[in-house]
Amino acid sequence: RKEVEQDPGPFNVPEGATVAFNCTYSNSASQSFFWYRQDCRKEPKLLMSVYSSGNEDGRFTAQLNRASQYISLLIRDSKLSDSATYLCVVNLSGGYNKLIFGAGTRLAVHP
Amino acid sequence: DTGVSQNPRHKITKRGQNVTFRCDPISEHNRLYWYRQTLGQGPEFLTYFQNEAQLEKSRLLSDRFSAERPKGSFSTLEIQRTEQGDSAMYLCASSSTTGVYGYTFGSGTRLTVV
Repeated sequence: RKEVEQDPGPFNVPEGATVAFNCTYSNSASQSFFWYRQDCRKEPKLLMSVYSSGNEDGRFTAQLNRASQYISLLIRDSKLSDSATYLCVVNLSGGYNKLIFGAGTRLAVHP
Repeated sequence: DTGVSQNPRHKITKRGQNVTFRCDPISEHNRLYWYRQTLGQGPEFLTYFQNEAQLEKSRLLSDRFSAERPKGSFSTLEIQRTEQGDSAMYLCASSSTTGVYGYTFGSGTRLTVV
């Protein structure tokens, strides 16, 4: 079983749609959680951290369910510029902040 | 210094040759990471430095791979006797000690072994 698993995608949605990505992780001792965005042939960039209480950043909402070891990302009112691969990322417990990445879910927003 | 810098951006090499990549992290970051990413996959952890000490190496890092961070600043990743399976994007990232805000990645070095 992979340490971080994501919806395989791709997701093809029209502009203005709401889209949700799901992610599960296997290590119950994981401490920190993130969503990264990666554009084609570019490096991953931090989109947002994910907190236990859930958090929102504009059109983006992240949720964490520690009991189910489940993370989600909701994008409202999709824009063409949201087209990218979204990587679910987990920080294993321990001292040194090693991040484990999911394979990513590709989103394509069309006019 | 506005980010993590990696050189070269692209490298094409013949099978069996040695290659070396360089990473210059954000200056105040004491942690440096190397990842490898192939098409359709997320980045896979290779190795990690805190200052000049290499604290973990992945099983993915065969004995043909070596990484150094001699003065706790820039780092190099060398691949000896390259194989076609080494073709990938090699990403370097850095973070501060707490790292609670995640990593900052460089633009990567895309290696093609022909």
